[in-house]
Amino acid sequence: DVKVTQSSRYLVKRTGEKVFLECVQDMDHENMFWYRQDPGLGLRLIYFSYDVKMKEKGDIPEGYSVSREKKERFSLILESASTNQTSMYLCASTSLVGSNYGYTFGSGTRLTVV
Amino acid sequence: SQKIEQNSEALNIQEGKTATLTCNYTNYSPAYLQWYRQDPGRGPVFLLLIRENEKEKRKERLKVTFDTTLKQSLFHITASQPADSATYLCRGDSGGYQKVTFGIGTKLQVIP
Repeated sequence: DVKVTQSSRYLVKRTGEKVFLECVQDMDHENMFWYRQDPGLGLRLIYFSYDVKMKEKGDIPEGYSVSREKKERFSLILESASTNQTSMYLCASTSLVGSNYGYTFGSGTRLTVV
Repeated sequence: SQKIEQNSEALNIQEGKTATLTCNYTNYSPAYLQWYRQDPGRGPVFLLLIRENEKEKRKERLKVTFDTTLKQSLFHITASQPADSATYLCRGDSGGYQKVTFGIGTKLQVIP
């Protein structure tokens, strides 16, 4: 089974802290994604990467950056955490856009910024 | 902008009945639609994909339809069970990563 592992299930950080969310997949997928999910707003794409060291902005990249130094790892960075970044963060991967297997998601990281 | 709309109200049905969830899309024509299941506090899990040239797809107790005239997909769970209780997300793709749109999901509650 494809596995996407997010390093933390729950995180509490203070306003202004730099926050790192880590995601690792074990199926050699080229494409990785970071989403946030908020009630009533659904899943919103923050950043995605289709190859090592490549990244593209999604719909809501402001306040975030990403790093993909190795194929299996995609990190989301909150440069200076703010309370409006309190959310559920989901990492996903897929081998191909349009793959019959869809996206494989991690279990999510619920981040609270106080 | 392209939109995927799902009924945000929860759907409650009796165990054994067929649950039907609706996904409507506007302002674009997705080449295919996907359905995911999401349990509380967990990530979505991919269930089924249907392409625009397919009318219907089945997988065990699940059935998905794609009606390009009505701009709608229906997701059916037959012989529903309490274990089917979850939120179900619809996703539309029209090509490229930026063209992936998720609905907010419909919460299904199957009552024993």
